[in-house]
Amino acid sequence: EDQVTQSPEALRLQEGESSSLNCSYTVSGLRGLFWYRQDPGKGPEFLFTLYSAGEEKEKERLKATLTKKESFLHITAPKPEDSATYLCAVLNDYKLSFGAGTTVTVRA
Amino acid sequence: GAVVSQHPSWVICKSGTSVKIECRSLDFQATTMFWYRQFPKQSLMLMATSNEGSKATYEQGVEKDKFLINHASLTLSTLTVTSAHPEDSSFYICSGSGGTAYEQYFGPGTRLTVT
Repeated sequence: EDQVTQSPEALRLQEGESSSLNCSYTVSGLRGLFWYRQDPGKGPEFLFTLYSAGEEKEKERLKATLTKKESFLHITAPKPEDSATYLCAVLNDYKLSFGAGTTVTVRA
Repeated sequence: GAVVSQHPSWVICKSGTSVKIECRSLDFQATTMFWYRQFPKQSLMLMATSNEGSKATYEQGVEKDKFLINHASLTLSTLTVTSAHPEDSSFYICSGSGGTAYEQYFGPGTRLTVT
C-alpha cells in the first residue's frame, strides 16, 4: 500500500526564516509527486508536480525537489501569506495518495 | 486555470437524513471526478472515482450504498450521503480532471455536520 509521511506536522517560522518540509514516500510505480497548498476550510491548491529523481521546480519563494524516496519543499524568506498547510501526494496508476500535511505558520 | 465549485459550502443535517453535495466544473469538461473526505488534521482520503456516464469505483472500505455518486454530465457530479450519522461529519472535497488522475482541479470543499 502506498504510504506518504510528512514532517514536521507543524512549523512555526519568523518572517524571513527559511526552512524545509519533508515528504517521504513508498509507492509501487511512482507516476508523479505533487505538492499542494491548503488554506483552512478550502480545497487544495496545486503548486508543483515532480516526475523523476533530481527534478526541481520553483515558484516564488517555494522550491520543490525530488529524490527516489523523498521530496522537500523549501520555503525561502517566508512571508505571513505563506502560512498554510502544505500537502504532498503521490500518484500511482490511478489515484493520488496524500500525506497528512505540514501546517506552516509565519509570524511577522 | 480550471475552476471547480461545490455546493453547499457547509451543511448541517440531522441524523438519519440524506444530504446531496454538488460538484461542478465551471470552465472545462471533467471526464473524471474524484471524491475525497478529510477529517481534522488528517490527509485527504479518496472515496471514489467516477467517469461520466459510468458507475463510480469506490475505494476499499467505502460503502457505496451509503455514499451515492452520480456523474451524469461532463460538468456535474453529485455525492449523496444517505442516512447520515454523526461519524459522517467531515470535509468532503471533489476534484475534476480531463480523464486522468494527473491534473486534478480541486473544489473548495463542503463541511458536513451531522447532529
